[in-house]
Amino acid sequence: AQTVTQSQPEMSVQEAETVTLSCTYDTSENNYYLFWYKQPPSRQMILVIRQEAYKQQNATENRFSVNFQKAAKSFSLKISDSQLGDTAMYFCAFHLSIYGGSQGNLIFGKGTKLSVKP
Amino acid sequence: EAGVVQSPRYKIIEKKQPVAFWCNPISGHNTLYWYLQNLGQGPELLIRYENEEAVDDSQLPKDRFSAERLKGVDSTLKIQPAELGDSAVYLCASSTRTSGGTDTQYFGPGTRLTVL
Repeated sequence: AQTVTQSQPEMSVQEAETVTLSCTYDTSENNYYLFWYKQPPSRQMILVIRQEAYKQQNATENRFSVNFQKAAKSFSLKISDSQLGDTAMYFCAFHLSIYGGSQGNLIFGKGTKLSVKP
Repeated sequence: EAGVVQSPRYKIIEKKQPVAFWCNPISGHNTLYWYLQNLGQGPELLIRYENEEAVDDSQLPKDRFSAERLKGVDSTLKIQPAELGDSAVYLCASSTRTSGGTDTQYFGPGTRLTVL
């Protein structure tokens, strides 16, 4: 069974600074996808970034980037130039590849509460 | 493009009462998910539909929970009777398979249920 672990329940960062959120996962499969979702206090879950396990290049979306270490089963999220609107819960999630023959489901970590301070 | 729509946004009921939640997925998305999110936790899957078929309902407490997705579009999740421990946020998500081999899920705003 796959598991996702987020070891930082809460973090804070000053506006305009950089913060890194940690995520580790456990799987015996080779083909999968990893995601970071953001859930602001209004509750709507929003996709931030996704990474395909077969790609060595780390995904980047504007101020958001990941550090994907497949051998270490680590998938951290870096937020650069933090903004007040980045304040939210951040969830790391894992999903098996459909083409791997076993779709499985989206497995979430417990989340990290990020506060951006002015 | 309209996102996933859920209603109601909030619901307060007495224990032992029935309650129903409604979800309208993104147009064209054949897969629909219902998740349970307890306070301070990540979402946990209750049931997954591929079109009209429930392909994974292993985590759905079938003694009191039921779901349906008639015509493969809208879906309804029902609890009868509700218990105090059912107080949580119920999230709906939808997705469609891409050529990349996975289906990115898009979430609705959720329904916050409070059972008194």
